[in-house]
Amino acid sequence: SSELTQDPAVSVALGQTVRITCQGDSLRSYYASWYQQKPGQAPVLVIYGKNNRPSGIPDRFSGSSSGNTASLTITGAQAEDEADYYCNSRDSSGNHLGWVFGGGTKLTVL
Amino acid sequence: EVQLVESGGGLVQPGGSLRLSCAASGFTFSSYDMHWVRQATGKGLEWVSAIGTAGDTYYPGSVKGRFTISRENAKNSLYLQMNSLRAGDTAVYYCARVKVAGPDRYFDLWGRGTLVTVSS
Repeated sequence: SSELTQDPAVSVALGQTVRITCQGDSLRSYYASWYQQKPGQAPVLVIYGKNNRPSGIPDRFSGSSSGNTASLTITGAQAEDEADYYCNSRDSSGNHLGWVFGGGTKLTVL
Repeated sequence: EVQLVESGGGLVQPGGSLRLSCAASGFTFSSYDMHWVRQATGKGLEWVSAIGTAGDTYYPGSVKGRFTISRENAKNSLYLQMNSLRAGDTAVYYCARVKVAGPDRYFDLWGRGTLVTVSS
């Protein structure tokens, strides 16, 4: 099966812009979706498709994709954005259809 | 209220079995693909299984042959039968709904999870 690779940790100064990346072969065929997870809570969808935000997600969150890399950008990071972020996509490698998550990126807002 | 509520977690010995349930409410359960996703303490998310609206099922190699996902639309319920459990299966298990929007598929609704601990 395919894998999705994320940097384990990223930091950003309050109010600055940060990009979290996700690499994998499956991203050449499928858009990534992105999930925010705070300690002790379930994941929450923040970006899906080409660059779509669910209702209630601030517009400082955006997504992009190029080749085998998907990116989540937070423009003007806030203290409440400190969390773990996971990318996810479908995976059609091999003989089966499945899903795959990245290992997660811990975002620290300084 | 639109929600998913998992139950059935607990402590089980290695080699044992456990059945998880997920109760859906507030939406037309039968119209959605449903998944199980797990997370070991301090680790990342891992996809565990999926079931389509037609009952088609999918698993990663790590659980194939040991776990069985099923659904009972009349009861708005999703299940995960876990057999031959190992210490590595210890995790919080989340039930998640998949939204389909054209070519896009994504997990738009998650439960709060149920903890499974495999230990002697």
